[in-house]
Amino acid sequence: KAGVTQTPRYLIKTRGQQVTLSCSPISGHRSVSWYQQTPGQGLQFLFEYFSETQRNKGNFPGRFSGRQFSNSRSEMNVSTLELGDSALYLCASSLDTGKGEQYFGPGTRLTVT
Amino acid sequence: AQSVTQLGSHVSVSEGALVLLRCNYSSSVPPYLFWYVQYPNQGLQLLLKYTTGATLVKGINGFEAEFKKSETSFHLTKPSAHMSDAAEYFCAVSLFGNTGKLIFGQGTTLQVKP
Repeated sequence: KAGVTQTPRYLIKTRGQQVTLSCSPISGHRSVSWYQQTPGQGLQFLFEYFSETQRNKGNFPGRFSGRQFSNSRSEMNVSTLELGDSALYLCASSLDTGKGEQYFGPGTRLTVT
Repeated sequence: AQSVTQLGSHVSVSEGALVLLRCNYSSSVPPYLFWYVQYPNQGLQLLLKYTTGATLVKGINGFEAEFKKSETSFHLTKPSAHMSDAAEYFCAVSLFGNTGKLIFGQGTTLQVKP
């Protein structure tokens, strides 16, 4: 089976712009979670989607949003980018939101200048 | 609220020596526990997990961890370190029935010296 894929792998944006990141889960996985990884804050949970519904949400401002499509693919959007949004954004998928481990993609490295 | 503490942001061992990476958790309900490894410029790879049952769990690449409820610990060990084990290791916790949200420790960078 193909693993979790994320596109693009690298992205450079300017402060104030918006960005959309994409994640394709492992085939058959219905839960997709997003994480932000920075040197200062480490790995932080953004949100989780299951069957097109947001099931969990982390402590991030409303500029961070996401959605999930009927084929389980997910996108996250960050509006009005700030320098502090520079990070590695990781997507993970799992079979079921209630149990089982998450499998991570390679991440999208976002740099905000 | 759940939290995870990894003791030691950097651990250095010699090749062939025992690897011990420490993880303590805080959770009001029985947790699920995980160890992940991250190599440079890559995502996270699952090493092992504890959900229920046997408290000593074996993972990939010769790693194992023991869930000790009384000590709220889930330390990761490997009897003999290889150069290829050099990476960053993350301990994570989730609630039973809610594994879509992982709470991670700050990570421990393992250095393996020849």
